[in-house]
Amino acid sequence: DAKTTQPTSMDCAEGRAANLPCNHSTISGNEYVYWYRQIHSQGPQYIIHGLKNNETNEMASLIITEDRKSSTLILPHATLRDTAVYYCIVIYLGLYNQGGKLIFGQGTELSVKP
Amino acid sequence: KAGVTQTPRYLIKTRGQQVTLSCSPISGHRSVSWYQQTPGQGLQFLFEYFSETQRNKGNFPGRFSGRQFSNSRSEMNVSTLELGDSALYLCASSLAEGPAGYTFGSGTRLTVV
Repeated sequence: DAKTTQPTSMDCAEGRAANLPCNHSTISGNEYVYWYRQIHSQGPQYIIHGLKNNETNEMASLIITEDRKSSTLILPHATLRDTAVYYCIVIYLGLYNQGGKLIFGQGTELSVKP
Repeated sequence: KAGVTQTPRYLIKTRGQQVTLSCSPISGHRSVSWYQQTPGQGLQFLFEYFSETQRNKGNFPGRFSGRQFSNSRSEMNVSTLELGDSALYLCASSLAEGPAGYTFGSGTRLTVV
């Protein structure tokens, strides 16, 4: 599985956009980029995923560079409830059939401040 | 639609005892994975079950085991508990096909004293 690199921590002002970067320079063509977040003492929560194109859903936007070596998760209007650890994970397309092992790094601890 | 349910939420056990944790996946999800989360090691994969068969296993000692029932519910067991087994144990379920997202439960907080 490709490894990912994320900053250890970031701060964001409430109401502003939070841009969380992730490097995955060894990603291969059949690997997706997934983002999860974990609010203290809860299970990780799925946010968004993508392969090549930029993606948007009700929670966030995912921007993947053309060479796919990095991506950015964007929370357009961060709130205090978005304070969490955000994990960027690269997942092999056939992961499910391989017995789905998600490899979590240390993630980025995002603090949204009033 | 009910989420992934883990029971119990909290558990305190004594060193040397054994413990069984339960996970009920989302209806229709046939894959169940287990993870251990500690402050020092982060989230680590334990094992994954599909159709009552273990398909993948992480690097944990044999004291950690699991099983899956015909209704996809899963249990994990830890025997001869050690202080270092204190952790948040998370279960995740997934659909049968495609790179669908894995849905996690809220976890079981195990404390070994």
